[in-house]
Amino acid sequence: KQEVTQIPAALSVPEGENLVLNCSFTDSAIYNLQWFRQDPGKGLTSLLLIQSSQREQTSGRLNASLDKSSGRSTLYIAASQPGDSATYLCAVKVQGAQKLVFGQGTRLTINP
Amino acid sequence: GAGVSQSPSNKVTEKGKDVELRCDPISGHTALYWYRQSLGQGLEFLIYFQGNSAPDKSGLPSDRFSAERTGGSVSTLTIQRTQQEDSAVYLCASSSDRASSYNEQFFGPGTRLTVL
Repeated sequence: KQEVTQIPAALSVPEGENLVLNCSFTDSAIYNLQWFRQDPGKGLTSLLLIQSSQREQTSGRLNASLDKSSGRSTLYIAASQPGDSATYLCAVKVQGAQKLVFGQGTRLTINP
Repeated sequence: GAGVSQSPSNKVTEKGKDVELRCDPISGHTALYWYRQSLGQGLEFLIYFQGNSAPDKSGLPSDRFSAERTGGSVSTLTIQRTQQEDSAVYLCASSSDRASSYNEQFFGPGTRLTVL
């Protein structure tokens, strides 16, 4: 059974810092991995999707990496801003299945 | 519409009543998913539709939960005889079958269900 873990559960940093969020998964047989952002009381916004054959994806100040063999992904946020404050969720799509398996999320606070 | 829409945004009901939650996927998306997000359990998969059929219902927690999809578009999730433990945010997502999409899932804003 695929399990996804995100560490830390919460993170608070001052504005302008670069930061890394971590995601690990137990079964390396994945089809892809998605990073999402969730604002309080809102749905999920897809940030980045990494295919199992890829090592990283970039969008603006965000960079996500994938090491499938070790079961790890990181989301790097450069030059953090208060507007980046949200919960960040990692989810994997297992090969042969359609559902996403989610981590518990990292609640990020960027202090002005 | 441009994104996935869900209605109602909030639903308060009494224990024992039936509720229906609606999802409108992104136009042209053939795959549709329902998830549930609760404080204790995080985000959990409920059911997956490909067109009007549901090849994966493995996440439905009990036979009080059912879902259907008509015309390959709108889906309705029905919870019968609601219980307090059904209180959660119910999220719907859709994805395209095009190879270039890599089955990226796009989520709606959710329906917050409160069972009193």
